[in-house]
Amino acid sequence: GAVVSQHPSWVICKSGTSVKIECRSLDFQATTMFWYRQFPKQSLMLMATSNEGSKATYEQGVEKDKFLINHASLTLSTLTVTSAHPEDSSFYICSARPGLAGSYEQYFGPGTRLTVT
Amino acid sequence: GQQVMQIPQYQHVQEGEDFTTYCNSSTTLSNIQWYKQRPGGHPVFLIQLVKSGEVKKQKRLTFQFGEAKKNSSLHITATQTTDVGTYFCAGPAGGTSYGKLTFGQGTILTVHP
Repeated sequence: GAVVSQHPSWVICKSGTSVKIECRSLDFQATTMFWYRQFPKQSLMLMATSNEGSKATYEQGVEKDKFLINHASLTLSTLTVTSAHPEDSSFYICSARPGLAGSYEQYFGPGTRLTVT
Repeated sequence: GQQVMQIPQYQHVQEGEDFTTYCNSSTTLSNIQWYKQRPGGHPVFLIQLVKSGEVKKQKRLTFQFGEAKKNSSLHITATQTTDVGTYFCAGPAGGTSYGKLTFGQGTILTVHP
């Protein structure tokens, strides 16, 4: 149980284009989904918190107009990197939280490796 | 803001040796979680500790939560090559809802056969 999928697993795009990444909880409903960015051999950097039916909450320093997040249902959240630039190249990982009382664990998707040329 | 510090950053061991990583929070935590990320993979939830002084075991892995609920440790007995990866601790980010977590920097474990 607690499986999260993420699509695509890797993508190469040209500078100036937009890329959409999907995150789905396959066998549970996620009250909250999170989007992280991870650089090689570094920790997870939280970008935003996404709740179904409401606007995402972005962390300080994350441009909400550049990283558009939509949480359309209890099983799907999307991250769109708009007007991508080479510095946006990174490993993007989503996670989903079942939201059971007293339980904070998150289940992570396999990640999306974005390369902007 | 809340900080979660983790040491060591790197640990190289020979197969069969023990390994311990330590996690310290600047604030008291309601719970602490541990995750493992294999090279090239994604973080996988290992365990959540809630009670002060709690100790939990998963086969060769022993997890402890400090009495003051500000520190935690993960100990692996007799490491195997399958233990290779980065181990992260994480605690609830203070004063927020929705279960946001603050992750430690992680400890990268290398096991030499």
